[in-house]
Amino acid sequence: AQSVTQPDIHITVSEGASLELRCNYSYGATPYLFWYVQSPGQGLQLLLKYFSGDTLVQGIKGFEAEFKRSQSSFNLRKPSVHWSDAAEYFCAVGSASSGDKVIFGPGTSLSVIP
Amino acid sequence: GAVVSQHPSRVICKSGTSVKIECRSLDFQATTMFWYRQFPKQSLMLMATSNEGSKATYEQGVEKDKFLINHASLTLSTLTVTSAHPEDSSFYICSARDYRQGSREQYFGPGTRLTVT
Repeated sequence: AQSVTQPDIHITVSEGASLELRCNYSYGATPYLFWYVQSPGQGLQLLLKYFSGDTLVQGIKGFEAEFKRSQSSFNLRKPSVHWSDAAEYFCAVGSASSGDKVIFGPGTSLSVIP
Repeated sequence: GAVVSQHPSRVICKSGTSVKIECRSLDFQATTMFWYRQFPKQSLMLMATSNEGSKATYEQGVEKDKFLINHASLTLSTLTVTSAHPEDSSFYICSARDYRQGSREQYFGPGTRLTVT
């Protein structure tokens, strides 16, 4: 069965520290992957996406993610976190073979200590 | 860029009534749209795939008679929650795929917050 896991339910980091949010997936076909951010009561904002090509993807707000097929992972990173990065982060996976349905992970809540 | 809108953004209805939520692709045609629901402090769960000109495909466990989906045109899909109950209170989000130039990217609407009293 297709699934997306985000092992960390909640992460707290200090402002200025580096960040890595983990995402693992289980898919039968070649996936494409996304990271979204959601502030309380708001809609989704796309941070970055991977369809093919270079496995290191640059996104908005200084985020990047690396697709590692051998580890079925797509971890999100940021070298220096800002207080405004506090939000809920969702990893999502889709594939053409599944009719382009996108499945979301459970999310990781990020808190930033000033 | 591709824009998806939803209407209304918030709706409050009484238990037993029906409510319709619209999802529109504003600057592109979408043969396929998707409907998600999100409970507080939870992730998005795919409810159904809406196909223009044909019946929607529902995910396992989603009641098709309760959540009626109509993809009336290439830019509009509607979700009607029939005989709503308090447990249907949730954040409903739609997305649409822009198939132009073979793009597989989906664009999400801003969501509709439904409260059933």
